Amino acid sequence: QSVMTQPPSASGTPGQRVTISCSGSSSNIKNNYVNWYRQLPGSAPKLLIFRNHQRPSGVPDRFSGAKSGASASLAISGLRSDDEADYYCSSWDDSLSGWVFGGGTKLTVV
Amino acid sequence: QLLESGGGLAQPGGSLRLSCAASGFTFKNFAMNWVRQTPGKGLEWVSGIIGSGGETYYAASVKGRFTISRDNAKNILFLQMNSLRVEDTAVYYCANGWFDKLNPYDAFDVWGQGTVVKVSS
Repeated sequence: QSVMTQPPSASGTPGQRVTISCSGSSSNIKNNYVNWYRQLPGSAPKLLIFRNHQRPSGVPDRFSGAKSGASASLAISGLRSDDEADYYCSSWDDSLSGWVFGGGTKLTVV
Repeated sequence: QLLESGGGLAQPGGSLRLSCAASGFTFKNFAMNWVRQTPGKGLEWVSGIIGSGGETYYAASVKGRFTISRDNAKNILFLQMNSLRVEDTAVYYCANGWFDKLNPYDAFDVWGQGTVVKVSS
């Protein structure tokens, strides 16, 4: 069972906007930054959003992140078929002195 | 670039040593981490080590069984895994961010391709 909670699945149609939530606690999200990773089948994870809402170079602005209290969210606008992937939130946990991940959300574009 | 090796099949109670060869950056300036992914499941941070190698961090699930270390002269990260359990079966990734110490401002910016560890009798 993961320290942070994500919905196991999400779906949307091409062009739509979808949001994936991530719920944590005061030892992680509430007092630390949130990072988001995307993992395509058979590939290593890739950093998508760091420090709550910042995008690494090369990540389009269709991807955005937000944080409020002990929860965070990832929004994907203009959904495309190649956005189908697993998405993971992550944060530093002060109590564990280590990184924690959400359980992951499998995004399907129908 | 990060390139893991050393995965394979081990028996419960056995040992394996993973390696992660780094290139293209000044290895000693960056904290390094191991992250694993169990079959069909999510990601789990396993262990981290600061750039100098002087501080190490472990997930509770592996503390006392796994040892992270690094050779900054050879640009290699290691994970010595002892007393292996079936639940240690996973793809093991090495990953690093932007700082020489583990801290909440960091993120895993670079990942290796992973090495598969299977623990089974």
